[in-house]
This record gives sequence, C-alpha cells and structure tokens, in this order.
Amino acid sequence: AQSVTQLDSQVPVFEEAPVELRCNYSSSVSVYLFWYVQYPNQGLQLLLKYLSGSTLVKGINGFEAEFNKSQTSFHLRKPSVHISDTAEYFCAVSYTGTASKLTFGTGTRLQVTL
Amino acid sequence: DAMVIQNPRYQVTQFGKPVTLSCSQTLNHNVMYWYQQKSSQAPKLLFHYYDKDFNNEADTPDNFQSRRPNTSFCFLDIRSPGLGDAAMYLCATSRDMGGMKTQYFGPGTRLLVL
Repeated sequence: AQSVTQLDSQVPVFEEAPVELRCNYSSSVSVYLFWYVQYPNQGLQLLLKYLSGSTLVKGINGFEAEFNKSQTSFHLRKPSVHISDTAEYFCAVSYTGTASKLTFGTGTRLQVTL
Repeated sequence: DAMVIQNPRYQVTQFGKPVTLSCSQTLNHNVMYWYQQKSSQAPKLLFHYYDKDFNNEADTPDNFQSRRPNTSFCFLDIRSPGLGDAAMYLCATSRDMGGMKTQYFGPGTRLLVL
C-alpha cells in the first residue's frame, strides 16, 4: 500500500526567506506525485505534479519540487516566500493503474511572518 | 472559467437531521469525488462516481450516500448527521480515472452539526 509522510506539521518562516517542505512516500510501484495548497476555508489547488521525465518540476507561484526516487522524496521548495504563501500544503501520491486514487499526507502548515 | 462549484459554503444542521451538500462542475469531467476533511487532517475519500458508476470506499459509513443525476451535478447526502460528521466536505473532478489524472477541487462546504 502507498503512503505519504509529511514530517513537519508546521513550518514558520520569515518573509523573503527560502523554504523547503518535506514529503516522503512509500510505494512498491511507480508513482505520480502532487503538491496541493489549501488557503483558509478554501478547497485544494494544484501547485505542481510529477508524472515522468525531468525530476525537477516547476509549479505556480514560484514553487518547485524535486523527485528523488532513491530517497523516495518529493520535497517542495521556494527560494523566497511571501506573506500570501501562508497556507496548508499537502503532498499526495498515486500510482499507475486506472483504479489508482490519491493518497494525501497529513499536511504542513506554512506560516510566513514579517 | 471552467470550475468546480460547491453550495452552500457553510451549512449548519442539527444532530440527526438529514442534510444534502451540492457540487456542480463546468469541466465536463466524467469522474466526481467526495472527500471529508476534518480539522488539521488530510482529505479522506468517501466515494466517487465514474460516469454513472458509484464506487464506495470500504470504510465510508452507511450514513453517507451520494447521487449523480447528470454529468454536471453530484450530491452528498448525510442521512443522520452526528457530531463527528462536522467537517469540510470537498468535491473534486477528474477527466477519467488513473493515477496521473489531476483532480480539480471545489472550495468546499463546511458542515457544522449542533
């Protein structure tokens, strides 16, 4: 069975500082990986996804993530955060197969302060 | 813009009083999902429709039902809400099933049970 671990439940960071949100997955088969962002009282918005090809994936709002198969990781990074990046970030995994569904991590709360 | 719409955004119901949450989409996607998200937790898939085929998750309580009268609309019915059913309910859609298919989420309906 597949699972996703987001070790950091909260990440406080100052505005304009870099940030990395960690995501590790476990799966015995090839995976697809996603990062979603959820602003307060909103639904989930797709930030970026890895399906195949280049292991460095660029997404919206200046975020990027790197797929590392040997370390089973898909960490999310941004070189300089803004107050408006304050939100909950969810990593999710699915696998090849028509019956596959998304498995979400428990989320990381990014809190950006001045 | 094509989108996933959920109404109402906030719903208050009484313990044991049936409630229906609504989701509509203009994306013309053939798969629609319902998730339950409790505070500070990951979204949990309740069920999904692939066209008219209903697929229930094994651990979804019988108290939760769904209807999909046409491609655009999907409803979540909670027959006898308990206090533990208070949560954010997220509707999502995708074009076909499969691990690489991106899910598009609505803004959610926050349910409060008194």
